[in-house]
Amino acid sequence: EVQLVQSGAEVKKPGESLRISCKGSGYNFNIHWIGWVRQVPGKGLEWMGGVYPGDSQTAYNPSIQGQFTISAVKYLSSAYLQWSSLKASDTAIYYCARRGRNGFDSWGQGSLVTVSS
Amino acid sequence: QSVLTQPPSVSAARGQKVTISCSGSSSNIGNNYVSWYRQVPGTAPALLIYDNDDRPSGIPDRFSGSKSGASATLGITGLQTGDEADYYCGTWDSSLSAWVFGGGTRLTVL
Repeated sequence: EVQLVQSGAEVKKPGESLRISCKGSGYNFNIHWIGWVRQVPGKGLEWMGGVYPGDSQTAYNPSIQGQFTISAVKYLSSAYLQWSSLKASDTAIYYCARRGRNGFDSWGQGSLVTVSS
Repeated sequence: QSVLTQPPSVSAARGQKVTISCSGSSSNIGNNYVSWYRQVPGTAPALLIYDNDDRPSGIPDRFSGSKSGASATLGITGLQTGDEADYYCGTWDSSLSAWVFGGGTRLTVL
């Protein structure tokens, strides 16, 4: 069974750094893109970018690029989303999702990030 | 404002059929495959339809997808109260070089 398990909820202050994780199991982690999707509570889905664990190639949403970094460590079957300086507007639920054939076919449970002073 | 346009809400009676539209352009729906996702509030999204009209294993044939030009449609027949959720369309946008989602449609089963 394909599973993506994400790290837990985080509460941070503006300006702090953070890395959240997504660990895959039940499939060859190296050969599927992992995407990160943001959802502000009560709002829609926004694709942030993704990583191909096999060679760590990344792709970012040009409209929001530069505010975060996506990476993967293939021998840990894990992908990461990190910020160097959080803002209150980063408060959201973050989902990782496996890119299957023309769609995201498996999703993590979500990681709630709250940024507040 | 999402690149893909969906109605904010739709409703229909239990047992009836409903359709949810997703309108885009030639840079996204018009030239790329569409997928659909269901999200029950408080849970993660889940894939319903991929490649415009294919269903993953475990998704009943009450759910169907279609595409015509730069628009796509999700159909749900035999509505059940358990179908109440938010539904999102998604596809790759070749001009933006980004995966894009519709704004989502809240389905209410009366």
